[in-house]
Amino acid sequence: KQEVTQIPAALSVPEGENLVLNCSFTDSAIYNLQWFRQDPGKGLTSLLLIQSSQREQTSGRLNASLDKSSGRSTLYIAASQPGDSATYLCAVRGGSYIPTFGRGTSLIVHP
Amino acid sequence: EADIYQTPRYLVIGTGKKITLECSQTMGHDKMYWYQQDPGMELHLIHYSYGVNSTEKGDLSSESTVSRIRTEHFPLTLESARPSHTSQYLCASSGGTGGRHEQYFGPGTRLTVT
Repeated sequence: KQEVTQIPAALSVPEGENLVLNCSFTDSAIYNLQWFRQDPGKGLTSLLLIQSSQREQTSGRLNASLDKSSGRSTLYIAASQPGDSATYLCAVRGGSYIPTFGRGTSLIVHP
Repeated sequence: EADIYQTPRYLVIGTGKKITLECSQTMGHDKMYWYQQDPGMELHLIHYSYGVNSTEKGDLSSESTVSRIRTEHFPLTLESARPSHTSQYLCASSGGTGGRHEQYFGPGTRLTVT
């Protein structure tokens, strides 16, 4: 059974820092990995999707990488801003259409 | 931007009432999902559907039921609400082929049962 772990569980950084969020998974037989953002009390917003054949995807200040063989993905946020404060979740999809979610990293960027 | 809608956004209701949470999507996705999430906690899959007239229970046992009569509509019903049902309910749909299969979420319904 796929297990997804996100480290750290919580992170507090000053504005302007570059930061890395980690996601690891136990079964490397995946189709894709998706990174989401969730604001308190809201739904999840899709940030990036990386297919199993890809190594990275970029959107603005966000860059996600995937190393399928080692079961790891990182989300890199450049020049963090207070508006980036949210919970970030990764979800891994294997052979079924049901993704396995991590518990998320709660990020606070303070001015 | 994903076109998936949930109503109501907030609901406060008394114990014993029957409620239906609505979810609809305009993307033509076959796959739809319901998740339950308590504040600050992980997502739990409670129901999913791979198409019209197809529904399955998820990992978390739930007293709710779902139906899928139309592709775009996936309502969730609680026959008799209890305080233990107080939570946030998130609807999602997914589409795309192979590695491009992507999941999209609605804004959620915050349910409080008094």
